[in-house]
Amino acid sequence: GAVVSQHPSWVICKSGTSVKIECRSLDFQATTMFWYRQFPKQSLMLMATSNEGSKATYEQGVEKDKFLINHASLTLSTLTVTSAHPEDSSFYICSARDSDEQYFGPGTRLTVT
Amino acid sequence: DAKTTQPPSMDCAEGRAANLPCNHSTISGNEYVYWYRQIHSQGPQYIIHGLKNNETNEMASLIITEDRKSSTLILPHATLRDTAVYYCIVRVAGTGNQFYFGTGTSLTVIP
Repeated sequence: GAVVSQHPSWVICKSGTSVKIECRSLDFQATTMFWYRQFPKQSLMLMATSNEGSKATYEQGVEKDKFLINHASLTLSTLTVTSAHPEDSSFYICSARDSDEQYFGPGTRLTVT
Repeated sequence: DAKTTQPPSMDCAEGRAANLPCNHSTISGNEYVYWYRQIHSQGPQYIIHGLKNNETNEMASLIITEDRKSSTLILPHATLRDTAVYYCIVRVAGTGNQFYFGTGTSLTVIP
């Protein structure tokens, strides 16, 4: 099946700094990518839908100025957590759409100290 | 997308079949049933999906009731590596619509 990668797999940053997470579709082009967040022992929560060449669509309650999404090419979407705080510590997962199906990345563990 | 209801947890003996139920009583005619699983600290892994006919692949079988209001994912011979959270999701295929995850079923395979 199609492969989606994320980088980094884990990151630790200090409170107030910004962190960028990359999501790449390795063997297919993805016009649409999705970003999820997952807190411990909870389900995945959709944060936003990212379309190549246009602005992302954010789910209700997700701050677009805090979670900046860029989908500059058909194989790369980035999520930047700006001015990170400890409550932003979470597991961030992206998925990419290949024709009819979606494939998920391995996730990025963010810890804000 | 229609909501789904799954039991929060289940146990299964290694080597036995694991039957994971899912209720989706408000499913629409054009919505498919998808199953994904998530092993601890990994991204979700696709298992199988179907519309109204039963489906089988190398990982599992999917049984959908005739009225499509419920389905069962069957892992025929569960192994310890099948321990994971299993998510049942209904959505319209081929539209790029988002996947909305419910709470899933935490399956523990016991030696």
